[in-house]
Parts: sequence; structure tokens; C-alpha cells
Amino acid sequence: AQSVTQLGSHVSVSEGALVLLRCNYSSSVPPYLFWYVQYPNQGLQLLLKYTSAATLVKGINGFEAEFKKSETSFHLTKPSAHMSDAAEYFCAVSVGSGGGADGLTFGKGTHLIIQP
Amino acid sequence: SAVISQKPSRDICQRGTSLTIQCQVDSQVTMMFWYRQQPGQSLTLIATANQGSEATYESGFVIDKFPISRPNLTFSTLTVSNMSPEDSSIYLCSVERGGNSEAFFGQGTRLTVV
Repeated sequence: AQSVTQLGSHVSVSEGALVLLRCNYSSSVPPYLFWYVQYPNQGLQLLLKYTSAATLVKGINGFEAEFKKSETSFHLTKPSAHMSDAAEYFCAVSVGSGGGADGLTFGKGTHLIIQP
Repeated sequence: SAVISQKPSRDICQRGTSLTIQCQVDSQVTMMFWYRQQPGQSLTLIATANQGSEATYESGFVIDKFPISRPNLTFSTLTVSNMSPEDSSIYLCSVERGGNSEAFFGQGTRLTVV
């Protein structure tokens, strides 16, 4: 079975500073990895995904993540935080064989706080 | 992408009653998934619903408590039965599309049981 660990339930950064949200995964087969964002009282929105192509993945809103197999990590970064980035971020893993038959396993989430 | 509509968006229910949540997708999908997000928690997969067959439930979830219907390729329902305050959560419908397990989510149903 697969699992996801997100380090830090809350991360606080200043506006304009680097955002780093950590995600480590465990999977016995090559995984698909995702980052989702959830704004207050809204549904989940896909930020980016890793699907065994390029290890550095660029997503929406200036976010990117790097898949490091040796470290079993998929950390999310953004060079300069904006107030609108304040939200809950979830890392997720799937081992579905393209058909998405297994659903997603989510980490516990990281609440990103942006200080003015 | 996929457009997923969930109804109701929120509800307040009395304990002991049942609520049925509807999920409508704008195009045909093979698999539909139901997740629960308890207050301040992450998402947990409840079950996978495949059209024409029984839903597959994850550990800790049973059909008697969370019966699911999947009558066609664009629609599914999840019923939360005999509710207790511990069932207060956001329930989300999801579909996967794109051949890479990319999941799309509905806006969720915020359930409060009193």
C-alpha cells in the first residue's frame, strides 16, 4: 500500500519569501504524485502532477515540484509567496495503472499562512 | 477536465436520519470515488463506484453505513445512514480522467449532524 507524509501541519512565510511544502511518499511501485490546493470553503484544485515524465513539474500559480526517487520526495515550492497563496495544500499519491482504479491516498495537509 | 456537480452543497441533519448526496459528471466516466474530509483532517477514500457493479469499500467503511448507487456513467449517490455527530464532515465526489490518475473533485457536501 502507498502512503504520504507531509511534514508540518502549518507553514508560515512572509509575502515574497520562498514557499517550501514537504511531501514524502511510500510506494512499492512507481507512483503518480499530485499536489492539490484547497481554498477556504472550496473544493480541491489540482496544482500539478508527476506522471513519470520530467522530474521537475511546473504547475499553476507559479508552483513547481521536483520528484526525487532517491529521497522518495515530492516537495512543492514557489519562489515568491503571495497573499492569495494562503490555503490548505495536500500531497497525494496514486498507483493506478492509468485507469485510475485505485483512487488517491492523501497526506494530512499543510496549512500555508502568508504573513504580510 | 471534468465538471462535477454535487448536491446538496451543505446540510444540517438530525442524528439517526439519513442523507443522500448526489454527484453528476458532465461526461461519462468509468470510475467514481467518494471521499470524506473530517474537520481539520485530510481526505480519506470511502469507496470506489464502478457502473454496473457493487462499490468497493475501503477499510473502515461499510455498505450498510454508506450505501452507494451508480446507475449510469455520469451519476452516483452516496447515502450516509443513521447519522451521528461523528459523521459531520465534508463528503466529496471525484472522478479520474486523463490516463494518469488525475482526479477532479466536486465542491463537496458539508454535512453537520446535530
